[in-house]
Amino acid sequence: NAGVTQTPKFQVLKTGQSMTLQCAQDMNHNSMYWYRQDPGMGLRLIYYSASEGTTDKGEVPNGYNVSRLNKREFSLRLESAAPSQTSVYFCASSLDRRGQPQHFGDGTRLSIL
Amino acid sequence: QQQVKQSPQSLIVQKGGISIINCAYENTAFDYFPWYQQFPGKGPALLIAIRPDVSEKKEGRFTISFNKSAKQFSLHIMDSQPGDSATYFCAATPGRDSSYKLIFGSGTRLLVRP
Repeated sequence: NAGVTQTPKFQVLKTGQSMTLQCAQDMNHNSMYWYRQDPGMGLRLIYYSASEGTTDKGEVPNGYNVSRLNKREFSLRLESAAPSQTSVYFCASSLDRRGQPQHFGDGTRLSIL
Repeated sequence: QQQVKQSPQSLIVQKGGISIINCAYENTAFDYFPWYQQFPGKGPALLIAIRPDVSEKKEGRFTISFNKSAKQFSLHIMDSQPGDSATYFCAATPGRDSSYKLIFGSGTRLLVRP
């Protein structure tokens, strides 16, 4: 059982380039999330999706777009990458009941030069 | 803004000692308080969680203490082991929010020396 799978694991971009981070879960979860993790700042929510076809902004959505392609997949897109978006990006999913844990992928390490 | 404040930023403990990590929050609407453990190169994983209607929860060597009036909660790791060396995050879920999103603290990097 793979859980939450993120691709790619590492990526280096030049400023202004675009890319899409992929995330897929096989746990039949309704809720999915994208976070970024920066030193000393914990994990900050970028966007989340409570169900297929719905997305909502989190704490730091600027510069990002998301697509909930189907129940399994939730992608994060950087349209014009900036050095400030250098970070480790985590996707997570959970059952849509309070108190259920979020299950995280192993992250995408993104560097923008 | 950081709605959940976590301290210390880093912690070094000898094997067999007690590790204590503290978190404080302002929003009284928070109603679920999990702790996540993260090893290098991996995503965070749920370690233990508590609801505000109890003051303590224990699972093996890990204990959460919760003080609702002070709006503080802490993680105690008893008999700390080198395998506990990881980054720990406290978090909270807004109770009045219809989503299940988490608000994380800034993390504590724990090193347990053998």
